[in-house]
Amino acid sequence: SQQGEEDPQALSIQEGENATMNCSYKTSINNLQWYRQNSGRGLVHLILIRSNEREKHSGRLRVTLDTSKKSSSLLITASRAADTASYFCATGAGSYQLTFGKGTKLSVIP
Amino acid sequence: SQTIHQWPATLVQPVGSPLSLECTVEGTSNPNLYWYRQAAGRGLQLLFYSVGIGQISSEVPQNLSASRPQDRQFILSSKKLLLSDSGFYLCAWSSQEGTEAFFGQGTRLTVV
Repeated sequence: SQQGEEDPQALSIQEGENATMNCSYKTSINNLQWYRQNSGRGLVHLILIRSNEREKHSGRLRVTLDTSKKSSSLLITASRAADTASYFCATGAGSYQLTFGKGTKLSVIP
Repeated sequence: SQTIHQWPATLVQPVGSPLSLECTVEGTSNPNLYWYRQAAGRGLQLLFYSVGIGQISSEVPQNLSASRPQDRQFILSSKKLLLSDSGFYLCAWSSQEGTEAFFGQGTRLTVV
Protein backbone atom coordinates (compact mmCIF):
# COMPACT_ATOMS: atom_id res chain seq x y z
CA SER A 1 0.00 0.00 0.00
CA GLN A 2 1.12 3.55 -0.63
CA GLN A 3 1.41 5.76 2.40
CA GLY A 4 2.95 8.91 0.97
CA GLU A 5 0.84 11.20 -1.16
CA GLU A 6 2.62 13.92 -3.10
CA ASP A 7 1.00 17.18 -4.02
CA PRO A 8 0.70 18.53 -6.65
CA GLN A 9 0.66 15.64 -9.11
CA ALA A 10 2.24 17.86 -11.73
CA LEU A 11 4.06 21.18 -11.57
CA SER A 12 5.31 23.39 -14.39
CA ILE A 13 7.59 26.34 -13.68
CA GLN A 14 10.04 28.62 -15.47
CA GLU A 15 13.75 28.12 -15.11
CA GLY A 16 15.09 30.09 -12.16
CA GLU A 17 11.89 29.83 -10.14
CA ASN A 18 11.56 27.78 -6.99
CA ALA A 19 9.62 24.51 -6.97
CA THR A 20 7.80 23.24 -3.90
CA MET A 21 6.37 19.75 -3.57
CA ASN A 22 4.49 18.37 -0.62
CA CYS A 23 4.08 14.92 0.84
CA SER A 24 1.56 13.69 3.38
CA TYR A 25 1.61 10.35 5.13
CA LYS A 26 -0.61 8.47 7.53
CA THR A 27 1.32 6.49 10.12
CA SER A 28 4.34 6.99 12.36
CA ILE A 29 7.70 7.01 10.63
CA ASN A 30 11.38 6.69 11.41
CA ASN A 31 12.45 8.77 8.47
CA LEU A 32 11.19 10.33 5.27
CA GLN A 33 13.13 10.37 2.04
CA TRP A 34 12.87 12.12 -1.29
CA TYR A 35 13.84 10.52 -4.57
CA ARG A 36 14.09 11.72 -8.12
CA GLN A 37 13.28 9.73 -11.26
CA ASN A 38 14.15 10.77 -14.77
CA SER A 39 11.80 9.38 -17.39
CA GLY A 40 12.29 5.65 -17.89
CA ARG A 41 15.12 5.40 -15.38
CA GLY A 42 15.65 4.19 -11.85
CA LEU A 43 15.15 6.35 -8.78
CA VAL A 44 17.96 8.37 -7.28
CA HIS A 45 18.06 9.17 -3.58
CA LEU A 46 18.12 12.91 -2.87
CA ILE A 47 17.80 13.44 0.86
CA LEU A 48 16.71 11.73 4.07
CA ILE A 49 15.22 13.48 7.07
CA ARG A 50 14.76 11.66 10.35
CA SER A 51 11.64 11.89 12.46
CA ASN A 52 13.42 13.99 15.09
CA GLU A 53 14.60 16.55 12.52
CA ARG A 54 12.57 19.48 11.25
CA GLU A 55 14.63 20.79 8.36
CA LYS A 56 17.49 19.65 6.21
CA HIS A 57 19.46 21.19 3.36
CA SER A 58 21.48 19.70 0.53
CA GLY A 59 22.71 22.09 -2.14
CA ARG A 60 19.62 23.64 -3.77
CA LEU A 61 17.31 21.26 -1.91
CA ARG A 62 15.52 22.06 1.31
CA VAL A 63 13.33 19.52 3.06
CA THR A 64 11.05 20.15 6.00
CA LEU A 65 9.23 17.62 8.15
CA ASP A 66 6.26 18.25 10.41
CA THR A 67 5.48 15.04 12.26
CA SER A 68 2.47 16.58 14.01
CA LYS A 69 0.86 17.20 10.63
CA LYS A 70 2.40 14.10 9.07
CA SER A 71 3.72 16.13 6.18
CA SER A 72 6.93 17.05 4.43
CA SER A 73 7.92 19.49 1.74
CA LEU A 74 10.72 19.54 -0.80
CA LEU A 75 11.89 22.91 -2.08
CA ILE A 76 14.16 23.16 -5.10
CA THR A 77 15.57 26.66 -5.40
CA ALA A 78 16.67 28.36 -8.62
CA SER A 79 15.36 25.50 -10.74
CA ARG A 80 17.10 24.39 -13.90
CA ALA A 81 15.82 22.57 -16.97
CA ALA A 82 17.83 19.56 -15.79
CA ASP A 83 15.63 19.37 -12.68
CA THR A 84 12.78 18.15 -14.89
CA ALA A 85 11.84 14.75 -13.44
CA SER A 86 9.36 13.02 -11.16
CA TYR A 87 9.92 13.39 -7.44
CA PHE A 88 8.78 10.82 -4.91
CA CYS A 89 8.60 10.83 -1.16
CA ALA A 90 9.12 7.58 0.70
CA THR A 91 8.49 6.81 4.33
CA GLY A 92 10.53 4.42 6.41
CA ALA A 93 8.65 2.97 9.33
CA GLY A 94 10.39 -0.32 9.94
CA SER A 95 13.79 -1.78 9.39
CA TYR A 96 13.45 -2.89 5.81
CA GLN A 97 10.64 -1.29 3.91
CA LEU A 98 10.11 2.02 2.19
CA THR A 99 6.64 3.06 1.10
CA PHE A 100 6.52 5.38 -1.89
CA GLY A 101 3.94 7.90 -2.99
CA LYS A 102 2.77 8.41 -6.57
CA GLY A 103 5.11 11.29 -7.24
CA THR A 104 5.09 14.86 -8.49
CA LYS A 105 6.01 15.40 -12.11
CA LEU A 106 8.08 18.57 -12.35
CA SER A 107 8.64 20.34 -15.65
CA VAL A 108 11.12 23.21 -15.73
CA ILE A 109 10.74 25.33 -18.82
CA PRO A 110 13.94 26.94 -20.16
CA SER B 1 31.75 1.97 -4.19
CA GLN B 2 28.51 0.07 -4.45
CA THR B 3 26.79 -0.56 -7.75
CA ILE B 4 23.63 -2.34 -8.76
CA HIS B 5 23.09 -4.01 -12.09
CA GLN B 6 19.71 -4.92 -13.48
CA TRP B 7 19.00 -6.52 -16.82
CA PRO B 8 17.64 -6.58 -19.39
CA ALA B 9 16.65 -2.94 -19.88
CA THR B 10 13.68 -3.80 -22.07
CA LEU B 11 11.83 -7.02 -22.70
CA VAL B 12 8.87 -7.98 -24.85
CA GLN B 13 7.37 -11.34 -24.01
CA PRO B 14 4.26 -13.20 -25.19
CA VAL B 15 1.47 -14.09 -22.81
CA GLY B 16 2.11 -17.43 -21.16
CA SER B 17 5.88 -17.30 -21.54
CA PRO B 18 8.27 -17.49 -18.55
CA LEU B 19 10.15 -14.54 -17.09
CA SER B 20 13.49 -14.13 -15.39
CA LEU B 21 14.86 -10.74 -14.40
CA GLU B 22 18.18 -10.59 -12.65
CA CYS B 23 19.68 -8.06 -10.30
CA THR B 24 23.13 -8.08 -8.76
CA VAL B 25 24.79 -5.76 -6.29
CA GLU B 26 28.51 -5.11 -5.97
CA GLY B 27 30.55 -3.50 -3.25
CA THR B 28 28.45 -4.38 -0.23
CA SER B 29 27.64 -7.45 1.81
CA ASN B 30 24.35 -8.74 3.19
CA PRO B 31 22.18 -6.04 1.62
CA ASN B 32 18.42 -5.87 1.83
CA LEU B 33 17.12 -6.45 -1.68
CA TYR B 34 13.83 -5.32 -3.21
CA TRP B 35 11.75 -5.72 -6.32
CA TYR B 36 9.31 -2.92 -7.13
CA ARG B 37 6.86 -2.49 -9.97
CA GLN B 38 5.83 0.87 -11.34
CA ALA B 39 2.75 1.19 -13.53
CA ALA B 40 2.64 4.09 -15.99
CA GLY B 41 2.31 7.40 -14.14
CA ARG B 42 2.04 5.67 -10.78
CA GLY B 43 4.12 5.20 -7.70
CA LEU B 44 6.18 2.19 -6.79
CA GLN B 45 4.56 -0.99 -5.56
CA LEU B 46 6.78 -3.20 -3.43
CA LEU B 47 6.58 -6.77 -4.73
CA PHE B 48 9.24 -8.66 -2.77
CA TYR B 49 12.01 -7.98 -0.32
CA SER B 50 14.78 -10.11 1.07
CA VAL B 51 16.94 -9.66 4.15
CA GLY B 52 19.18 -12.64 3.48
CA ILE B 53 19.94 -15.62 1.25
CA GLY B 54 16.83 -17.73 0.73
CA GLN B 55 14.66 -15.30 2.72
CA ILE B 56 11.89 -13.80 0.62
CA SER B 57 8.90 -11.79 1.76
CA SER B 58 6.03 -11.16 -0.61
CA GLU B 59 3.99 -8.01 -0.33
CA VAL B 60 1.23 -8.78 -2.80
CA PRO B 61 -0.20 -12.05 -4.12
CA GLN B 62 0.45 -12.31 -7.82
CA ASN B 63 1.79 -14.23 -10.72
CA LEU B 64 5.40 -13.54 -9.79
CA SER B 65 7.99 -15.06 -7.50
CA ALA B 66 11.44 -14.05 -6.30
CA SER B 67 14.55 -15.90 -5.26
CA ARG B 68 17.87 -14.98 -3.70
CA PRO B 69 20.33 -17.74 -4.51
CA GLN B 70 23.37 -15.70 -3.50
CA ASP B 71 23.96 -12.84 -1.10
CA ARG B 72 24.01 -10.18 -3.78
CA GLN B 73 21.75 -11.71 -6.41
CA PHE B 74 18.01 -11.24 -6.60
CA ILE B 75 15.86 -12.82 -9.31
CA LEU B 76 12.27 -12.07 -10.27
CA SER B 77 10.47 -14.87 -12.07
CA SER B 78 7.20 -15.99 -13.53
CA LYS B 79 6.20 -19.33 -14.98
CA LYS B 80 3.49 -17.86 -17.20
CA LEU B 81 3.22 -14.15 -17.89
CA LEU B 82 -0.08 -12.33 -17.98
CA LEU B 83 -0.89 -9.11 -19.84
CA SER B 84 -1.27 -7.42 -16.46
CA ASP B 85 2.38 -8.19 -15.65
CA SER B 86 3.46 -5.44 -18.05
CA GLY B 87 5.21 -2.58 -16.30
CA PHE B 88 8.49 -1.09 -15.20
CA TYR B 89 10.35 -3.31 -12.75
CA LEU B 90 12.95 -1.88 -10.43
CA CYS B 91 15.46 -3.66 -8.26
CA ALA B 92 16.91 -1.88 -5.25
CA TRP B 93 19.15 -2.49 -2.27
CA SER B 94 19.61 -0.90 1.11
CA SER B 95 21.85 -1.50 4.09
CA GLN B 96 20.67 -3.71 6.92
CA GLU B 97 19.56 -0.60 8.74
CA GLY B 98 17.01 -0.05 5.97
CA THR B 99 17.58 3.60 5.27
CA GLU B 100 18.18 4.98 1.79
CA ALA B 101 17.61 2.68 -1.14
CA PHE B 102 19.73 2.46 -4.27
CA PHE B 103 17.97 1.54 -7.47
CA GLY B 104 18.90 -0.20 -10.67
CA GLN B 105 18.00 1.33 -14.00
CA GLY B 106 14.86 -0.74 -14.36
CA THR B 107 13.41 -3.20 -16.84
CA ARG B 108 10.55 -2.21 -19.09
CA LEU B 109 8.48 -5.38 -19.54
CA THR B 110 5.78 -5.52 -22.19
CA VAL B 111 3.63 -8.62 -22.33
CA VAL B 112 1.91 -9.03 -25.69
